[in-house]
Amino acid sequence: KAGVTQTPRYLIKTRGQQVTLSCSPISGHRSVSWYQQTPGQGLQFLFEYFSETQRNKGNFPGRFSGRQFSNSRSEMNVSTLELGDSALYLCASSSPQGRQGGRETQYFGPGTRLLVL
Amino acid sequence: GNSVTQMEGPVTLSEEAFLTINCTYTATGYPSLFWYVQYPGEGLQLLLKATKADDKGSNKGFEATYRKETTSFHLEKGSVQVSDSAVYFCALSAGYSTLTFGKGTMLLVSP
Repeated sequence: KAGVTQTPRYLIKTRGQQVTLSCSPISGHRSVSWYQQTPGQGLQFLFEYFSETQRNKGNFPGRFSGRQFSNSRSEMNVSTLELGDSALYLCASSSPQGRQGGRETQYFGPGTRLLVL
Repeated sequence: GNSVTQMEGPVTLSEEAFLTINCTYTATGYPSLFWYVQYPGEGLQLLLKATKADDKGSNKGFEATYRKETTSFHLEKGSVQVSDSAVYFCALSAGYSTLTFGKGTMLLVSP
């Protein structure tokens, strides 16, 4: 099976702009989660979508939003970009076959590196 | 809330040395535990996992045992290689899919 894919891989934006990142999960996976990785804060959970519904949300401002389509592909959007939004954004998908051993195992994509100038 | 604490790096070792990276956790409920590895410029790869007390996860010579009594999940490898140089993340999942990560430990292995 193909792994999780993310596009674009690299992006440069300026403050105030908005950006949309895309994630295609492993075939058959219906859950998609997004994480932000920065040197200072490490890996932080943004939100999770399952069957087109947001199932869980981290502690990020409303400028960060996402959605999931019927084919399980997901997008996240950041509006009014700030310098501090520069980060690696990682998408992960997990299996829909109930819980594996009690918790779903997440598989990550290569990430989109966003630089805000 | 949930949290993961892992030893700060970098950990610098010579090839064939023994590796231990400590990880302890705090969680409500009964979490699953994971180790992920990140190579430069890449995303996270699942290295191993354990879902209940005394479970041992293993992969590529790496091992970690779920110790509920000490709330720990230390990563070990008997003989590291230069190709093991990467950043290692300990993580827990106590909900459907949400992962809580440690800060990561950089491992540098020299020939």
